[in-house]
Amino acid sequence: DVKVTQSSRYLVKRTGEKVFLECVQDMDHENMFWYRQDPGLGLRLIYFSYDVKMKEKGDIPEGYSVSREKKERFSLILESASTNQTSMYLCASSAGTGPYEQYFGPGTRLTVT
Amino acid sequence: AQSVSQHNHHVILSEAASLELGCNYSYGGTVNLFWYVQYPGQHLQLLLKYFSGDPLVKGIKGFEAEFIKSKFSFNLRKPSVQWSDTAEYFCAVPRDDKIIFGKGTRLHILP
Repeated sequence: DVKVTQSSRYLVKRTGEKVFLECVQDMDHENMFWYRQDPGLGLRLIYFSYDVKMKEKGDIPEGYSVSREKKERFSLILESASTNQTSMYLCASSAGTGPYEQYFGPGTRLTVT
Repeated sequence: AQSVSQHNHHVILSEAASLELGCNYSYGGTVNLFWYVQYPGQHLQLLLKYFSGDPLVKGIKGFEAEFIKSKFSFNLRKPSVQWSDTAEYFCAVPRDDKIIFGKGTRLHILP
């Protein structure tokens, strides 16, 4: 079974703090993704990566950055957290190229106060 | 570019009722389609997928979906729902190496 793990299920941070969300997958997948999930808006893609040290902007990259130093690990960074970044953050991975299904982690519910 | 729209944002049904959740996609060449489900407190998981072949696709837990090319639709169905089907359901379409998700339908089953 593919396993995608995220470092925290719940996180509370203050406005202006730097926040790191970690994601690890154990199936040697090439592709990794970060989404945020908000009620009524579905899943919106923040950033994705096809390979180590490679990143691409998704639909809503503003205020976020990412890092992929190892194939199995993909980090999402909020440089200076703001209250409008309060959300559920989902990490996913998929194999190779093509329309392969994505496997999701359990999510991190981030609250910025 | 491919996109999907889901008609119903919130559906409430009683147990044993039949279910149909709507999903329409925009045309963009080869069509591949997914339905994902997120049960309360659980991670998002694949329910079923259509890549080619038989347009009637069967998934887990008795769900099925029918790809109707002429209507650009991929509606999710279940003949008799259970309380445990309470969840949020997302229709999705691949675009390049990404997946574009619909806004989701929250399904609430009354016991």
